[in-house]
Amino acid sequence: EIVMTQSPATLFVSPGERATLSCRASQSVSSKLAWYQQKPGQAPRLLIYGASTRATGIPARFSGSGSGTEFTLTISSLQSEDFALYYCQQYNNWPLFGQGTKLEIK
Amino acid sequence: QITLRESGPTLVKPTQTLTLTCTFSGFSLSTSGVGVGWIRQPPGKALEWLALIYWDEDKRYSPSLKTRLTITEATSKNQVVLTMTNMDPVDTATYYCAHLTLEYDVLTASYRGPFDYFDYWGQGILVTVSS
Repeated sequence: EIVMTQSPATLFVSPGERATLSCRASQSVSSKLAWYQQKPGQAPRLLIYGASTRATGIPARFSGSGSGTEFTLTISSLQSEDFALYYCQQYNNWPLFGQGTKLEIK
Repeated sequence: QITLRESGPTLVKPTQTLTLTCTFSGFSLSTSGVGVGWIRQPPGKALEWLALIYWDEDKRYSPSLKTRLTITEATSKNQVVLTMTNMDPVDTATYYCAHLTLEYDVLTASYRGPFDYFDYWGQGILVTVSS
């Protein structure tokens, strides 16, 4: 069974700085990896699919990279609205989400 | 514009069966490649996929919960129903339904899958299991 591990659990970054979030799969998921953003009381919002393709309407400051077992979500210049929970999800096998990374203001 | 909305009871007793309905608009479950899934999230915890139903009536279930889950398309054709039997307090969660579209492979003239990412989500419904 695939295990998705996100790190760190909490990331403290100042507005305007770069944030780098990691997601690791216990076995290869090819490029079948998506990233979601979730704010309190809201449903998840799709940010990235295919490991690196931005979803419709997602700002260019969000970028994804990686393949196989190691993936990264980078937010190039944090805006106030970016402080939220972020989940990765693999879909190479039945959908499986990571435990999430909480992005907090430093 | 694709929208989804979950409905059902917000409080169920242990051992009861939960029935949730996802009412959607802006797409048809008769369209090739389209699917509707259910995902849940216990308070303060991560997301967990539960079930999927596709345009071709293929159904997929979480291996850990498959004995308790049934996903069906309602006769109205713009609704998907999830039933979960033998509810327990640990099943307390916000339940979401979500839309997906399988990627089409032009080389093989078939849909890649059977799983994909969820591009549109409902607002969710919090279901509490308590006596």
